[in-house]
Amino acid sequence: AQKITQTQPGMFVQEKEAVTLDCTYDTSDPSYGLFWYKQPSSGEMIFLIYQGSYDQQNATEGRYSLNFQKARKSANLVISASQLGDSAMYFCAMREGGTFIFGSGTRLSVKP
Amino acid sequence: EAGVAQSPRYKIIEKRQSVAFWCNPISGHATLYWYQQILGQGPKLLIQFQNNGVVDDSQLPKDRFSAERLKGVDSTLKIQPAKLEDSAVYLCASSSVTSGTDTQYFGPGTRLTVL
Repeated sequence: AQKITQTQPGMFVQEKEAVTLDCTYDTSDPSYGLFWYKQPSSGEMIFLIYQGSYDQQNATEGRYSLNFQKARKSANLVISASQLGDSAMYFCAMREGGTFIFGSGTRLSVKP
Repeated sequence: EAGVAQSPRYKIIEKRQSVAFWCNPISGHATLYWYQQILGQGPKLLIQFQNNGVVDDSQLPKDRFSAERLKGVDSTLKIQPAKLEDSAVYLCASSSVTSGTDTQYFGPGTRLTVL
């Protein structure tokens, strides 16, 4: 079974609009961490945001926020006010125990 | 603060040849990871070091891949002999347990093409 599922291979969003990228996870460990990374065409993985399983509030970092719904095992990334530079691959990842597992990614394209 | 360094950035070899990649993590980061990212997929963990000890190498094809981190700082990943399916980007990342989140910071990667 997939540990991290990203069901949207590709997404389009109009510049200045908000977009939500979906991520669901599967774990029986009560302690885990959830991460989102951005990978532009240059290839480098850029850390965006982190949510711990015991965190009560949704994480926010500037224009990025993580919609954490623990009962549904979802950790969606919300990007507000999209910019052209947001066009990239986005990966959801989970730390379970000491290891990390990445999803297959969502390609976001921002239209002017 | 300097980021994770990797070299070379690109490498083209023929199948059955050997190749080595080098990674220098962020200063003070005890944990170092090597990932393989095949085009169109998410990164797959190959090996994880804590200082100079191996924490997880369950997905490392040990018949052809090897990695070491002798002094607990920089690391080398080797493939010998290479196969066509090894064509991928090899990413190195590091993290610090003192951050509380184990957030990984990645290097620029090495793009390997096996002909």
